[in-house]
Amino acid sequence: TQLLEQSPQFLSIQEGENLTVYCNSSSVFSSLQWYRQEPGEGPVLLVTVVTGGEVKKLKRLTFQFGDARKDSSLHITAAQPGDTGLYLCAGGRSTSGTYKYIFGTGTRLKVLA
Amino acid sequence: SAVISQKPSRDICQRGTSLTIQCQVDSQVTMMFWYRQQPGQSLTLIATANQGSEATYESGFVIDKFPISRPNLTFSTLTVSNMSPEDSSIYLCSVGRSSSYEQYFGPGTRLTVT
Repeated sequence: TQLLEQSPQFLSIQEGENLTVYCNSSSVFSSLQWYRQEPGEGPVLLVTVVTGGEVKKLKRLTFQFGDARKDSSLHITAAQPGDTGLYLCAGGRSTSGTYKYIFGTGTRLKVLA
Repeated sequence: SAVISQKPSRDICQRGTSLTIQCQVDSQVTMMFWYRQQPGQSLTLIATANQGSEATYESGFVIDKFPISRPNLTFSTLTVSNMSPEDSSIYLCSVGRSSSYEQYFGPGTRLTVT
């Protein structure tokens, strides 16, 4: 069962456009991470949010954690070809004494020059 | 952050054989995880590698198929046993610290079973 649904699944846009990726769940998480992964490499951590309603900015990327800590969004302003990649959200929580992360379904972004 | 290496980076194996993947971290970490990822798809957690005790497996993954060792706080191995073509995938090691919610990944091991 996939607990975290991302939308859209695929996105192809022109350089300079803005976009938003959504990560939704019916479950509450104590933390939420966003990663970007390029072919042949492991996912690279972009940000971690832990407080409901929290907003973090990383240059042209803005991340928000939902008030109820069930969802999150990633907004990219003025996308560039270097933003191309697979974007993954991951929710973290403790289960049976173990802290673990559940990954979202992924959003594949392609930015055309 | 942490620097994580995995060996081998890729391998092609025969059906019925086993492969052991190594994960080495440059500093002590409390949490280590093993994931599987089909090319272009998301990650599925296989198990949490516990130092000094048996790994905690997720639903659909069993110790006989994916034995895991974690002898110390900087090293872990995942063995894929009695392989079939369905085991062809990318296997990723990740680490985290209990003091933060951050998780860092190794480069992955691309396994092809023929």
